[in-house]
Amino acid sequence: ILNVEQSPQSLHVQEGDSTNFTCSFPSSNFYALHWYRWETAKSPEALFVMTLNGDEKKKGRISATLNTKEGYSYLYIKGSQPEDSATYLCAFFPPGSSNTGKLIFGQGTTLQVKP
Amino acid sequence: DAGVTQSPTHLIKTRGQHVTLRCSPISGHKSVSWYQQVLGQGPQFIFQYYEKEERGRGNFPDRFSARQFPNYSSELNVNALLLGDSALYLCASSFLFHRPGPSYEQYFGPGTRLTVT
Repeated sequence: ILNVEQSPQSLHVQEGDSTNFTCSFPSSNFYALHWYRWETAKSPEALFVMTLNGDEKKKGRISATLNTKEGYSYLYIKGSQPEDSATYLCAFFPPGSSNTGKLIFGQGTTLQVKP
Repeated sequence: DAGVTQSPTHLIKTRGQHVTLRCSPISGHKSVSWYQQVLGQGPQFIFQYYEKEERGRGNFPDRFSARQFPNYSSELNVNALLLGDSALYLCASSFLFHRPGPSYEQYFGPGTRLTVT
């Protein structure tokens, strides 16, 4: 059974703090990993799609790294702002699902940034 | 450009009833996926349709079915509703469905909140 684990489940930080959270996935049979941001009452929004071991991607103050050999990805937020408050989901796209389009999601990390 | 739209926004049904949820993908997107999200869990894959054909099915009972129309919009149908079907149902569209990379980014709609009483 393929499982995607995210930690921590929730996080409270002060405005200006930098933070990071983890997504763990099966290290064998890797194909792609997605990160999404999901603000309350809005649609999940794609942040990054990562496919290569050692990938580092950045969008503004948010960046992500990927280690496919050990099966983890980190998401970093530098200088957190209240508008960063959201649930951050990672999703694993294993090979064998290329004909099904099946993404396996973690349970998410909910970030609350206090002003 | 309009994003992925879903209707209705909220729905309350009784156990045993049938429900139909609708999704319109982003213009030009040919693939539609359906996910069920229960509180405290990540979205669970239900179906993917590409070019009007079912290309993937998650671990859901046969009470769940879907179809995609020539304009690439999609319907998710659930028969004989159970209390456990109460969830947020998300629809996502993408252009190509089986390649990794930006072309496979999924664009989600706001979801339909289904409550079964």
